[in-house]
Amino acid sequence: VQLLESGGGLVQPGGSLTVSCAASGFTFSAYAMSWVRQAPGKGLEWVSAINPNGIGTFFADSVKGRFTIFRDNSKNTLYLQMISLRAEDTAVYYCAKHVTTGNFDYWGHGTLVTVSS
Amino acid sequence: QTVVAQEPSFSVSPGETVTLTCALTSGSVTTNNFPSWYQQTPGQAPRTLIYSTNTRSSGVPDRFSGSILGNKAALTITGAQADDESDYYCILYMGGGSRLFGGGTKLTVL
Repeated sequence: VQLLESGGGLVQPGGSLTVSCAASGFTFSAYAMSWVRQAPGKGLEWVSAINPNGIGTFFADSVKGRFTIFRDNSKNTLYLQMISLRAEDTAVYYCAKHVTTGNFDYWGHGTLVTVSS
Repeated sequence: QTVVAQEPSFSVSPGETVTLTCALTSGSVTTNNFPSWYQQTPGQAPRTLIYSTNTRSSGVPDRFSGSILGNKAALTITGAQADDESDYYCILYMGGGSRLFGGGTKLTVL
């Protein structure tokens, strides 16, 4: 299993960014996926999850209405679209593969998003 | 608002057994929360140790075990080693697709 995040970078407050996660080594379309973030020096925070078929999506209260999660099962890729970004969204963003029932078993190495003017 | 509580820090001597816990500030942790445990060293991605209460992730030594103890989830490390010194996080499934991490436990082995 490999999960490779990309698309992080520096963005101004109020700006937008989409990060991606390319998956390989498993049947991507069969598993739910999540995004988890970690602000500098802080703990882990679950951000969002998506069902295998992409129809069910779920968000932490801190990002609801600003972030969208979606996936392209034909490309084995997971996405997180972020708008109205705030300084407190600055974090390393990890994608994580779910087990069949429950939480995560595999993680990517993360991509850093910095929100600053 | 429900919070997932972990011990902020814990110290253990090499070879000893340590149990870290994961509790809800409102209610009990059960297997329906699918408690999972992750280990993280500075600058590294998290590593999955245990998922769905007590299932060890691939390649994880059997000295790591998960359980429900009373109304909490627990991670037990039997025979702590120096390289177990890390941050440990639990996560609970809260229903409706939502999940909550605990604040993490910084484990020192000395």
